[in-house]
Order: sequence, then C-alpha cells, then structure tokens
Amino acid sequence: EPEVTQTPSHQVTQMGQEVILRCVPISNHLYFYWYRQILGQKVEFLVSFYNNEISEKSEIFDDQFSVERPDGSNFTLKIRSTKLEDSAMYFCASSVNGDSPLHFGNGTRLTVT
Amino acid sequence: AQSVTQLGSHVSVSEGALVLLRCNYSSSVPPYLFWYVQYPNQGLQLLLKYTSAATLVKGINGFEAEFKKSETSFHLTKPSAHMSDAAEYFCAVSASLTGGGNKLTFGTGTQLKVEL
Repeated sequence: EPEVTQTPSHQVTQMGQEVILRCVPISNHLYFYWYRQILGQKVEFLVSFYNNEISEKSEIFDDQFSVERPDGSNFTLKIRSTKLEDSAMYFCASSVNGDSPLHFGNGTRLTVT
Repeated sequence: AQSVTQLGSHVSVSEGALVLLRCNYSSSVPPYLFWYVQYPNQGLQLLLKYTSAATLVKGINGFEAEFKKSETSFHLTKPSAHMSDAAEYFCAVSASLTGGGNKLTFGTGTQLKVEL
C-alpha cells in the first residue's frame, strides 16, 4: 500500500537555526498537511496545502513557518529560526480529495537544543 | 468550533478482555469522526471512520465504533484484546476547509495497555 514518507526521522538542531522537514505524499493525493505533536500533548493542525497554496493555517503557523511543494513529489515544512518550543514530532499527511481520510507519515522528531 | 474529548488517558485491560475507549464530540454540523492508532515510533494509522452512513462502523484489526448522536459519542470497542493492540488511540473530528481539504481536531489520546 502506498505510504507517506518523511525524512529525516530525527533531526537535532540548535536554537536559531533553520530546518527543513521533508515529506513525499502519496502520488495521486492532492491535499497535503502538516501536524505536530509536542511530547505528551495532543496532535495539532499546522497547515493545509492545496493547488499550490495554503488553504488554511493555525495560529501556531506564524511567520517562522513556511511550506513548499518544490516539485511534483516533495512537500516541505521550513522553520526559519527554531525555538526550544518547536521541539516536537512533526507529521506530514495527504489525502486524495477534500473529504477523504488523511494518510500520515511516521513523523520527524525535531529536537531543538 | 469542533472538538473531541477522550475520557481516560490510560486504559489497561487483560488479554482477551473487552476494549472500550471513550470519545465524545462537539460539533455544530453533522460530524465526520475518526479513530487513529499510533504504535511506538510510528505515524498515525487510520482505524475507522464515520461519515454519516451506517452508525456502526467496522475498522481494521477487529475494532468497531458506534456513532450515537443522542449521546454525542463515538466510542471504540474490540471484543477481545490482543497484546498487539497496545498503542495510543486518538479520536478525531473533521471539518471541511473552505480553501480545500479537511482539518482534523484530535483528542488527547488514550494509551491502551494489554496485560497477560
């Protein structure tokens, strides 16, 4: 069964550094999402992306965050200047259409030191 | 705004016993509801979904959930627990986005422990 793949599985970075988290959604999916889960807390919506633009973003997704679909297969999340509180598991997800269930990747654990 | 509440952050059952994980939702429109499972160091895997068809929804691995509008509940059950069911389970409600796609709002999760 096709999967959403995320790389790297674990990223350690220093505060203030830029990080790019990468995702390859399922190939025929049209909607893409990022979620995050801070340790011990609930999974939170960050952003959704459709037709090469953001369709919605949460209040967490401030100017430090950006998303991009640089080619036909990758979907990236960039954090411009990381903070300690950005440490979390970041999940990429995709769906075929607007009503279909989301398929999640295994996540990237980001640790900001 | 839509939300879900999962009662019990930790549930422990014996192998072979009934599994019951509780979820109550709040939604101003007919909701789409989901249960996801997260095994250690893995992503979220869809167990089952309710999309206003049958109120009793069957999912993978022998799990099922019943949508009860009168109780605003969507509890997850499995008749007989297996050791491999140990994981964290998340209830979620979906809202359509005007720009396209849908946004999941998750509950806080329930960690299921299965004991011999």
